[in-house]
Amino acid sequence: DTEVTQTPKHLVMGMTNKKSLKCEQHMGHRAMYWYKQKAKKPPELMFVYSYEKLSINESVPSRFSPECPNSSLLNLHLHALQPEDSALYLCASSQVDRPNSPLHFGNGTRLTVT
Amino acid sequence: DQQVKQNSPSLSVQEGRISILNCDYTNSMFDYFLWYKKYPAEGPTFLISISSIKDKNEDGRFTVFLNKSAKHLSLHIVPSQPGDSAVYFCAASGSGGSNYKLTFGKGTLLTVNP
Repeated sequence: DTEVTQTPKHLVMGMTNKKSLKCEQHMGHRAMYWYKQKAKKPPELMFVYSYEKLSINESVPSRFSPECPNSSLLNLHLHALQPEDSALYLCASSQVDRPNSPLHFGNGTRLTVT
Repeated sequence: DQQVKQNSPSLSVQEGRISILNCDYTNSMFDYFLWYKKYPAEGPTFLISISSIKDKNEDGRFTVFLNKSAKHLSLHIVPSQPGDSAVYFCAASGSGGSNYKLTFGKGTLLTVNP
């Protein structure tokens, strides 16, 4: 069982919908990440939160809006997405105070935009 | 431009034999390297890592070798088991001891045949 839990596992949404992806971890990690992975491609970093503050935004379009309400939760709010945004969205967490602490990934949310 | 390259999309090995997965990188600022394993419908799982100050790191059946002058690393699995069948991603991070910006390769699908 993964220690990073993502919900939902699958999501189908229209281009005018608003939806949210959720991620939860209880390992005490203070860094949390959103990655996007398209088929046969490597995971690509979208956002990094450190101590609940956004520290990295990899020039992600504003139709993706991250939120970190507390140290255990990370959300990704979706609005007015395009079909090309269909992908696997992975959440990850890691320790902040330990150098080179590996990332722990969730199982992802498979998003389809119609 | 890909900074982390896994030039073999797939590899097939017989059970009990050695699996060797290769990875090349172009960015001289990378100083920490990781291997992740990914099963279908699951997120990547951390496997093993190596710092640029070392040339070898071993953990059970898994050994990672780093050749800095060639900007090349490899993952050796011996003996290979059918349960090792998965996609293996090589990843690298830059200086500062932070994994915040991991750069992943495209992955190699390993199939271990019984």
